[in-house]
Amino acid sequence: AQTVTQSQPEMSVQEAETVTLSCTYDTSENNYYLFWYKQPPSRQMILVIRQEAYKQQNATENRFSVNFQKAAKSFSLKISDSQLGDTAMYFCAFTHNNAGNMLTFGGGTRLMVKP
Amino acid sequence: AAGVIQSPRHLIKEKRETATLKCYPIPRHDTVYWYQQGPGQDPQFLISFYEKMQSDKGSIPDRFSAQQFSDYHSELNMSSLELGDSALYFCASSSTGDNSGNTIYFGEGSWLTVV
Repeated sequence: AQTVTQSQPEMSVQEAETVTLSCTYDTSENNYYLFWYKQPPSRQMILVIRQEAYKQQNATENRFSVNFQKAAKSFSLKISDSQLGDTAMYFCAFTHNNAGNMLTFGGGTRLMVKP
Repeated sequence: AAGVIQSPRHLIKEKRETATLKCYPIPRHDTVYWYQQGPGQDPQFLISFYEKMQSDKGSIPDRFSAQQFSDYHSELNMSSLELGDSALYFCASSSTGDNSGNTIYFGEGSWLTVV
């Protein structure tokens, strides 16, 4: 069974600064996918970024980037130039081909961006 | 771009009643998922369908059932509702045939309140 752990229940950052959210996972699979989803107060689940395990290059999407350490089974999210609209719950999630693409989520990290 | 459409967005039911949630996946997506997110929790996988056939089953109670129709829309039927069924229900979809990397896209969710 796969597990995803987010060790930081809550974090805060000043507007325009950088923050890193941690995520570790455990799996015996070799081909898998990792995601970060953002859930703002509206509760909509929004895809932020994704990473294929077979790719060594870290994914980036504008101000969002990941640090994917496959050997350490670590998948952290870095948010640069934080904006007030980044305030949300962030979920790290994992899936693999043999799971029918079913997502396993971490417990989430609540991020507050302060003006 | 078209997203996953869920209806109704909000639903209030009494204990022991029945509720039906509907989901229209992103066009040309072949897989539909249902997730349940209780208060302060991460989403939990309920069930999924691939090409209108049930593909995986998670922590879905026996009181719940789901199906996917010929037009690919899906319905989640919940009977004998209990107070603990109050949650946000997400439908999501993905495509195995494109370059989205098994990415799962979520709808805005349906809020079910059981009173």
